[in-house]
Amino acid sequence: KAGVTQTPRYLIKTRGQQVTLSCSPISGHRSVSWYQQTPGQGLQFLFEYFSETQRNKGNFPGRFSGRQFSNSRSEMNVSTLELGDSALYLCASSLMEGAWGYTFGSGTRLTVV
Amino acid sequence: QKEVEQDPGPLSVPEGAIVSLNCTYSNSAFQYFMWYRQYSRKGPELLMYTYSSGNKEDGRFTAQVDKSSKYISLFIRDSQPSDSATYLCAMTIGGSQGNLIFGKGTKLSVKP
Repeated sequence: KAGVTQTPRYLIKTRGQQVTLSCSPISGHRSVSWYQQTPGQGLQFLFEYFSETQRNKGNFPGRFSGRQFSNSRSEMNVSTLELGDSALYLCASSLMEGAWGYTFGSGTRLTVV
Repeated sequence: QKEVEQDPGPLSVPEGAIVSLNCTYSNSAFQYFMWYRQYSRKGPELLMYTYSSGNKEDGRFTAQVDKSSKYISLFIRDSQPSDSATYLCAMTIGGSQGNLIFGKGTKLSVKP
């Protein structure tokens, strides 16, 4: 069965721009979580969506937002990009809410210049 | 102090060696402990999980949790070059509102 698909794989943006990243979960999975991975901070939790509702949110500024559609696909948006937003953004899907049974995608590598 | 501490390495061992990877944590509420493996340019994949204290074995991999010391370990026996990857510990309080708290990862290289 198909895994978690994240698009695009690589992205270069300029400071001040906004960006939208997409995640298609494994078929049947209803929960999608987003994590940011940087060399300095490691993996940090951004937010979780389940049945189109945000269920949990990490400690990130309001520039980071997300949504989930009725088919469980999810998008995350970062507005007014800063150099420090350069990171690997990982999406994980699971059947149920919470941090159980995650399957991660390969991520979107965002570079802000 | 970060909630989860993990030595980033890098760790280089010869093929066939026993590898020991460790994490310490500060939040005594953590109940579920996991180890993920991440290959270059890939997302993390779940290797093993343990609930509360104790040991769990799966093939060449053994996970140990000592909640009294707030210390978890992953042992890899008979290490292979294909084990070369970054190993991330992760933990969560559990429940529907829980998210994973990760260590920064240890980069392991197994030399043939």
